[in-house]
Amino acid sequence: AQKVTQAQTEISVVEKEDVTLDCVYETRDTTYYLFWYKQPPSGELVFLIRRNSFDEQNEISGRYSWNFQKSTSSFNFTITASQVVDSAVYFCALSGPIQGAQKLVFGQGTRLTINP
Amino acid sequence: EPEVTQTPSHQVTQMGQEVILRCVPISNHLYFYWYRQILGQKVEFLVSFYNNEISEKSEIFDDQFSVERPDGSNFTLKIRSTKLEDSAMYFCASRAGGWEQYFGPGTRLTVT
Repeated sequence: AQKVTQAQTEISVVEKEDVTLDCVYETRDTTYYLFWYKQPPSGELVFLIRRNSFDEQNEISGRYSWNFQKSTSSFNFTITASQVVDSAVYFCALSGPIQGAQKLVFGQGTRLTINP
Repeated sequence: EPEVTQTPSHQVTQMGQEVILRCVPISNHLYFYWYRQILGQKVEFLVSFYNNEISEKSEIFDDQFSVERPDGSNFTLKIRSTKLEDSAMYFCASRAGGWEQYFGPGTRLTVT
C-alpha cells in the first residue's frame, strides 16, 4: 500500500527565513511519482512539482527547491527567503506507474504560516 | 490555458437528499478523478474513470456514490442519499496520457 507522511502539521516562521517541509513516503512500486501541491486559503490545489522515482536530481525553481532521496524515501521541500504569500497548506503526494489509474495518495499536509 | 471547471462552487443540501456535482475536464484528457477533502484534513482519492468505466475506487466510494460521463464533456459525481459526513470539498481532476493531474477549483458540499 502507498502512504505519505508529513510529520509537521504546522510551521510558523518569520518572513525571509528558510523553511523545509518534510515528506516521507512508502510504496512497493519500483516506478512511482512524487508531487508537491500548494493549497492557498482560497482552497484550490496548485501543482508545484513532480519527480520520477528514477530521477534523484535535486531541483531548484526560484526560491523553491526539492531534495529527493530514495535511500530514505524522502522528498523534502525548501522555501528560501520565505514570503507572506507562501502561507498555505502544502501537500506531498505519491502515485504509482503511469500505466495504472495513477491515483494520488496525499499526505496530511503542512500548514505553513509566514509572519511579516 | 485550458482548465478544469466545477459547478456549483458551493452546494448546500439536506441529509438524505441526492446531489450531483459537475465537472468539465480539459477537453483532450482521457483520465478523470474525484477526490474529497474534509475540512482541515488531507485530500483523499475517491474514484478514477477511464474509457467510460471506473478504473479504481477507494473504500470511501461505496454504493451511495456513482460517476458518469454522460455527454463526452461533463464528468459527474452523484451522491444518492447524503449524510452529514459527506460534507467536504470535492475536487475533480483530469489528465491526458502523461503524469500531471489538473485539478478543478472544487465544490464545497455542506450537508445539514
